[in-house]
Amino acid sequence: EAAVTQSPRSKVAVTGGKVTLSCHQTNNHDYMYWYRQDTGHGLRLIHYSYVADSTEKGDIPDGYKASRPSQENFSLILELASLSQTAVYFCASSYWGGDTLYFGAGTRLSVL
Amino acid sequence: AQSVTQPDARVTVSEGASLQLRCKYSYSGTPYLFWYVQYPRQGLQLLLKYYSGDPVVQGVNGFEAEFIKSNSSFHLRKASVHWSDSAVYFCAVSAFSGGSNYKLTFGKGTLLTVTP
Repeated sequence: EAAVTQSPRSKVAVTGGKVTLSCHQTNNHDYMYWYRQDTGHGLRLIHYSYVADSTEKGDIPDGYKASRPSQENFSLILELASLSQTAVYFCASSYWGGDTLYFGAGTRLSVL
Repeated sequence: AQSVTQPDARVTVSEGASLQLRCKYSYSGTPYLFWYVQYPRQGLQLLLKYYSGDPVVQGVNGFEAEFIKSNSSFHLRKASVHWSDSAVYFCAVSAFSGGSNYKLTFGKGTLLTVTP
C-alpha cells in the first residue's frame, strides 16, 4: 500500500545538536513537503521539493535545511537545534502541486 | 497572498446533532479548496476537495462542503455526527503561484468534540 513513512516517530535532542528527520514515500509522487505543527498555528510549510536533487524554501525555512536525494526520500535537517524548534513535524507527498497531500504520521521533536 | 480563516478554534456538539465548521478564504481568483481531518497522534487525511463544477462536494464518512464564491467560504457540514468524528479539522486553500508551483495554505484548525 502506498504510504509516507517518517522516522523517527519521536526524538529528544539537545540544544545546539544536529537533528535529521527522514521521510520515505512509495506513492511515486513528484512533490514532497515538510510541515511544522504548533498549537495555535496550524501547519506551516518549511521546505518542499518537486524533483530529486532540488529543494525549495517554504514559508518558515530559517534554521532548517532539506535534502531530496531521490524521488522517494526527503530529509529535514536541523544543523543547530534550538528550543523554538520543539514541535511536531509532518512530511507529505503529492502528485502535483495542487493535488491532495498524503501525510506521514509525524515526528514529535523535543529540544531540551 | 492567500489566507484561510477558521473562526472557531473549538466546537462541541452532541452525538447525532448536525455540524457545520466554518472556513473563509482570501484569494482574488478561484482556488482549489480542501478539508483535512487529523485524528489524535496521526497525520492529516483528506476529507474532500473542490476544484470546479458542482459547488457541493461529497466526502468520506458523510461529510460535505459547499463552495460559495460570493462569500469566499467553504464550510464543512455533516447531518449527524458520531463520537468517532472527534478530531481536528483543517481547511486549506491551494492557488497557482507561478511556473508549475501552487501555494497551499492551511487554516489553524477547529477541534471538534462530540459528546454522548
